[in-house]
Amino acid sequence: TQLLEQSPQFLSIQEGENLTVYCNSSSVFSSLQWYRQEPGEGPVLLVTVVTGGEVKKLKRLTFQFGDARKDSSLHITAAQPGDTGLYLCAGGITDTGNQFYFGTGTSLTVIP
Amino acid sequence: DARVTQTPRHKVTEMGQEVTMRCQPILGHNTVFWYRQTMMQGLELLAYFRNRAPLDDSGMPKDRFSAEMPDATLATLKIQPSEPRDSAVYFCASGLATVHGSNNQPQHFGDGTRLSIL
Repeated sequence: TQLLEQSPQFLSIQEGENLTVYCNSSSVFSSLQWYRQEPGEGPVLLVTVVTGGEVKKLKRLTFQFGDARKDSSLHITAAQPGDTGLYLCAGGITDTGNQFYFGTGTSLTVIP
Repeated sequence: DARVTQTPRHKVTEMGQEVTMRCQPILGHNTVFWYRQTMMQGLELLAYFRNRAPLDDSGMPKDRFSAEMPDATLATLKIQPSEPRDSAVYFCASGLATVHGSNNQPQHFGDGTRLSIL
């Protein structure tokens, strides 16, 4: 059983379209991170959110942490082929040190 | 940029053989994680070290897997004997936990070891 469920699992869109990826759980997290992984490489951190309701922007990417700190979303505006990759959310729970629980992943393909 | 280094990048071997994967964490980082990634299960935590001490290895099959940190610059993950179901990409990640219980610090991942057990 996965602690964090991501949806959709797969997403294929045209360049220029917008998209949203969701990360949901029944558990409360002290912080939540989003990573992007490209083929043959390890995940790379995009952002960390720590406060319920927090919104962070990274160029065309907007990340939101749910008010109850149980869920998060990633919105990409005007997707580009360079956004293609596997997006992973990871939630940290207090009292587990630096350990994070990774979501099931969303594989995004942006078609030129 | 400092990077986590994993060796080997690829390993193909027959079932029953011992497999050793190595990881050099980023200098100065005090936490090391071993993950296994498969299509079916995604990214699973196998073991977690803080200041070289194992804190959590509940995700690791104890009968055949072992993880150690002989020193601060080397972490190892061993499988003996290996089985076809162990085929996966194994990632090492390191991080810097500055406050006990604080888990806002990023994990820096290596590029993984792609393991195939025939």
